[in-house]
Formats: sequence, structure tokens, C-alpha cells
Amino acid sequence: KNEVEQSPQNLTAQEGEFITINCSYSVGISALHWLQQHPGGGIVSLFMLSSGKKKHGRLIATINIQEKHSSLHITASHPRDSAVYICAVRGSGSRLTFGEGTQLTVNP
Amino acid sequence: DAGVTQSPTHLIKTRGQQVTLRCSPKSGHDTVSWYQQALGQGPQFIFQYYEEEERQRGNFPDRFSGHQFPNYSSELNVNALLLGDSALYLCASSLREYTEAFFGQGTRLTVV
Repeated sequence: KNEVEQSPQNLTAQEGEFITINCSYSVGISALHWLQQHPGGGIVSLFMLSSGKKKHGRLIATINIQEKHSSLHITASHPRDSAVYICAVRGSGSRLTFGEGTQLTVNP
Repeated sequence: DAGVTQSPTHLIKTRGQQVTLRCSPKSGHDTVSWYQQALGQGPQFIFQYYEEEERQRGNFPDRFSGHQFPNYSSELNVNALLLGDSALYLCASSLREYTEAFFGQGTRLTVV
């Protein structure tokens, strides 16, 4: 079993839909990251969380430390949101352990 | 601020050859981590450098080595390349463990 599990692996939505991507982890962490990766490879950091909830534009990230679970929500989804969304946890030091990613496709 | 820059962006090498990939961290960052991402998978941690020393290492053979320079830039060296080393190599920088990690665009290595 991977230390970081994401669901779903693939997600297809219609423009405007509310989207949720889930991440569960099995190790102690100091922080959790949500990352976005577009075709071509570059990774953009969306959020770094250690507790509670953060919001940036249409993106919302939450974390429940006791349940070892985090969610990334996208409101009013748009085709430009299509990308791979990756959950990564930070243990000791600044080493990150990544989930396998969720491929999101938003159709117009 | 140019963020994290990696070079080259693409590289094709032959089995058995050696390769060096380079990374310049974001301004103000002193810690550089390297990751390997095979097609369709999440990145895997290779190693991390801080104060010019390897601080942590993932499950990669000794063929993978690195270096950090006084200006915090870093190199990843891979010797005796195998076909299985074909991947996207990502560099991430941070200020120790205190800040979020910023990633470069990656170097796409193809071994033929």
C-alpha cells in the first residue's frame, strides 16, 4: 500500500461542475501539498497545508490531521483546469512523498 | 525572480553513457531536492542537498549522485545509463522545510 493514496485516478467533468479530489496518507507529516502538473511536465504548487483550510480563487484545500485525509475542491470548473493534480506529503526534512496523481479533464 | 530553472529541457543519451542535469533554485532557497517521474506515475524522491551535503536519499542506486554548489545550485549525475532511467527529472527548491517547494519545468531524459 502506498503511503499516499489519491482518488479518483481519473475524473471527467462538465464545465461549471464542482470537483473534489481526495488524498489519504498513512505516515506522520509536517505538511501536505497540492500540486498541478500540465502536459510537458512542469509542476505548480497550489497549496501547502498543515491544518484547516485554504482558499485561492476557485480552489479550496482542506486537511483533517486526525483522519489523515485531505481534499482539493474546484468550484465552477473550467476546461483550463484540465491537468494532473498531485497530493504530496512532507515528512522529515523537506522530502516529499507523492501520490500517483488524478487526471482531471473538464469538457466545455 | 526566475523561479527554479533546470537545464537542459530535453536530452537523449545512449545506454551506458553518463549524464549531468542542472538546477538553479529559487532566489532565497537553500535546499534542493531531485525527483524522478516515470511516465504515468508520481515523482519519486532521489535525494536532497542542503549546505552542499546530501541530507536524505531515496531508494536509488549509487549510479545516481549529486552535488550542491556554494550558490545553492545543484547537479544530478547518472552513470551507466539504463533504458529504465528514461523519465522526467524534477528539481524542487525550498528554504529548509519551512516553505513550500517550488518546482522547475523538469528535464526529459530519453535513453536509447
